[in-house]
Amino acid sequence: EIVLTQSPGTLSLSPGEGATLSCRASQSLNISYLAWYQQKPGQPPRLLVYGASRRATGIPDRFSGSGSGTDFTLTISRLEPEDFAVYYCQQFNNSWTFGQGTKVDIK
Amino acid sequence: EVQLVESGGGLVQPGGSLRLSCAASGFAFNSYWMHWARQAPGTGLVWVSRIDPDASKTWYADSVKGRFTISRDNAKNTLYLQMNALRVEDTAVYFCAREAYAQGQRWFDPWGQGTLVTVSS
Repeated sequence: EIVLTQSPGTLSLSPGEGATLSCRASQSLNISYLAWYQQKPGQPPRLLVYGASRRATGIPDRFSGSGSGTDFTLTISRLEPEDFAVYYCQQFNNSWTFGQGTKVDIK
Repeated sequence: EVQLVESGGGLVQPGGSLRLSCAASGFAFNSYWMHWARQAPGTGLVWVSRIDPDASKTWYADSVKGRFTISRDNAKNTLYLQMNALRVEDTAVYFCAREAYAQGQRWFDPWGQGTLVTVSS
């Protein structure tokens, strides 16, 4: 089973600052099979990025994904108030595992 | 509008059974792989099960294998999860999700709102 490890566990930032979220896989992944989601309390996950770097429909361009092999990154260029949430990466290479999540909260 | 709506959650005793449903609308349900995932209170997302478009093949997480059964009725645009021999650790919000695909890439979208299953005596 491929394990995804996200870091940091929590990121405390102010609106307007940038955020860099990491997702490390225990085995090399096909970039086509790496996605990122945002989840707010009481809501289902929302797709942000698929194929490691392709923004989903309607997602603002302040969100960007990058990476290859075992190391992937979600970058939020300037945090808006609505961006404070939990972010998960997911792989489809071997089964369908999620990382444990990174919480972005207000400093 | 592409939409998934879960139902069937509730309170059940350990060892009991429950069947969840996920009603799909706004897309060709019979063309997509479908999944169940769950989220225990205050924790992260965990994949549970997958079914292929014509229900000929299914996949399960080890934690539910032999106890849960995923199925679908393409005529009714509905996905199911039959949960037997429930344990306290199965307590979670259960989400259904569509596995979308394009140009070799795959992702989950949309997700349903989720239905809460509580296993407790």
